[in-house]
Order: sequence, then C-alpha cells, then structure tokens
Amino acid sequence: AQSVTQLGSHVSVSEGALVLLRCNYSSSVPPYLFWYVQYPNQGLQLLLKYTSAATLVKGINGFEAEFKKSETSFHLTKPSAHMSDAAEYFCAVIVNAGGTSYGKLTFGQGTILTVHP
Amino acid sequence: DAGVIQSPRHEVTEMGQEVTLRCKPISGHDYLFWYRQTMMRGLELLIYFNNNVPIDDSGMPEDRFSAKMPNASFSTLKIQPSEPRDSAVYFCASSDSSSGNTIYFGEGSWLTVV
Repeated sequence: AQSVTQLGSHVSVSEGALVLLRCNYSSSVPPYLFWYVQYPNQGLQLLLKYTSAATLVKGINGFEAEFKKSETSFHLTKPSAHMSDAAEYFCAVIVNAGGTSYGKLTFGQGTILTVHP
Repeated sequence: DAGVIQSPRHEVTEMGQEVTLRCKPISGHDYLFWYRQTMMRGLELLIYFNNNVPIDDSGMPEDRFSAKMPNASFSTLKIQPSEPRDSAVYFCASSDSSSGNTIYFGEGSWLTVV
C-alpha cells in the first residue's frame, strides 16, 4: 500500500534560515507527490506537485522539492524562512494517478513549522 | 474565481443529532472529495464523486455517514446520529480531471459533537 512518512512532527528555524521538511514515500510504482500547507483554521493550499516530469519542482512562496527515486524521498526546501511561513505542512502521495485513483491523496502526519525572529 | 465553498464553517451539536455539511465545488470541476481531519487519524479520504456519481466510499467510517451529490454544484455529507468521536474538521475538495490531480480544498467545516 502507498504511504508517506514525514520525519519530524515539529521543525523550528530562525527567520532567514534554510527550511527543510522531510518526506519519504513507499510505492511500488512511480507516484505523484504533493506538498500542501495549512495555516491555522484554514484549508489546505497546494504548494507544489511532482507528476513524473522534472525531478526538481518549484512551487509557490519560494518553496521547491526534489524527487529522488533512489532515496524514495520528496523533501521540501526553502532557502530563507519568513515569519509568514509558519504553518503545518503535509506531504501526500497518489499512486496510479489515473482511473479510480484520481485525486485519492494519502497524507503524511504533517510537520508544524515554527519560525522565530 | 470562487474557491470551494463549505458551510457551515463551525457547528456544535449534541450527540444523537443529525448533522449536514454542505459543499459547492469550483465551477467546471468534475471531481469532488470529502476528507476528514482529526488529531488521531490525520487527513483521510471519506468518499469521492466523479461527474456526480460516487466512485469510492470505502473511507466512510460507518453507516451513520452518507454523502450525496445531486448536481454538479452541490454536495452534502450527513451524519446521523452524530457521536462525539465524529468531532473533526471536514474538508470538501474539487478537481478538474484535466489538471493532473490538482486538488483544491475548501476552508473546512469544524464539527464538535458534545
């Protein structure tokens, strides 16, 4: 079965520091991978997605992620954290993204990012 | 363009009462999803529709839960009778099948059953 594991339920960084949020997936076939952000009391917003094209994916708000098949990873990075980046981040996977698996996201447990001055 | 619209945003109800959550997907989207978020189980898919037809309801926890999509612009998720363990945030989401699995989420309905 497909799954994602987010390493670290809480990550704390200083403003201006590198943000690195870790996600590993398990899938026997090439997956589609996603990162979503959830601000307090709001819904989920798509940051970026990987759909088997370029392995380095650029998203909104300066975030990017790199698909590494050999490591089964899809880590999210941002070179310089802003206070506004404080939120919860979710990695998600879809396997066999067509047909009856369309849109069937399996989410990780989430990583809360804290940014301190 | 308006996003996915959910109502109510917050609801507090007593155990045993019927709860109806509503969703208006993004116009033109042919997929609609209901997800639930809890501290214990995280985000999980309950049911989804394609062109108003339920495709997979394997995530619906039990018979107390039901969902309908009578037309392309409206869906409901009903819980009857409600129980305290149903307390969660319920998200509706929609997608256009030509978008490569890009799913747009609503703001959520925050349900508390006391």
